[in-house]
Amino acid sequence: GAVVSQHPSWVICKSGTSVKIECRSLDFQATTMFWYRQFPKQSLMLMATSNEGSKATYEQGVEKDKFLINHASLTLSTLTVTSAHPEDSSFYICSARDRTSGDLETQYFGPGTRLLVL
Amino acid sequence: GQNIDQPTEMTATEGAIVQINCTYQTSGFNGLFWYQQHAGEAPTFLSYNVLDGLEEKGRFSSFLSRSKGYSYLLLKELQMKDSASYLCAVLDSNYQLIWGAGTKLIIKP
Repeated sequence: GAVVSQHPSWVICKSGTSVKIECRSLDFQATTMFWYRQFPKQSLMLMATSNEGSKATYEQGVEKDKFLINHASLTLSTLTVTSAHPEDSSFYICSARDRTSGDLETQYFGPGTRLLVL
Repeated sequence: GQNIDQPTEMTATEGAIVQINCTYQTSGFNGLFWYQQHAGEAPTFLSYNVLDGLEEKGRFSSFLSRSKGYSYLLLKELQMKDSASYLCAVLDSNYQLIWGAGTKLIIKP
């Protein structure tokens, strides 16, 4: 089955620093990747939709200059949290669609990255 | 606006049956998903319904009524490992997932 990996799984950083999270589709090509954020005891909130080779589409209320998304290849998307602050501490999850299957319904989820900003 | 409602928390006994309901109002409908999420982990796929009716998969079944904007997830022969959050999500007209807040299921021995 389709596998999506995320790296790192855990990151602790100081306030004001930038953190990069990688999302890779391991055995399929993903034209579209999604970035979600989940705060404790809340559901997933879509942050942005990333299409390979084009700019990401951000959801309302998500600062595109703070959360930089790059989807340079069909297997890799990165999310960079710039100048992170404690309120950015959250669980970040990516998901990907399999281009070759033509399946628009299924998203394959990565294992998530837990970010703690001190 | 788009809205998905499901109970915040439910408690059930090991070996019993539990039904988790989900109602939705979305702009378009391309199917409804149920995901299981253990604490600190990403969601894992349980079921997908796009047509009305009941889909059975082992101990888990999922039902959909599009006319009522309603779905339920039925878990039978509950095991302690079923303690998790269960997320209802609808694929809207833009093929984006709209998520419910999740139902935390607590299983007691």
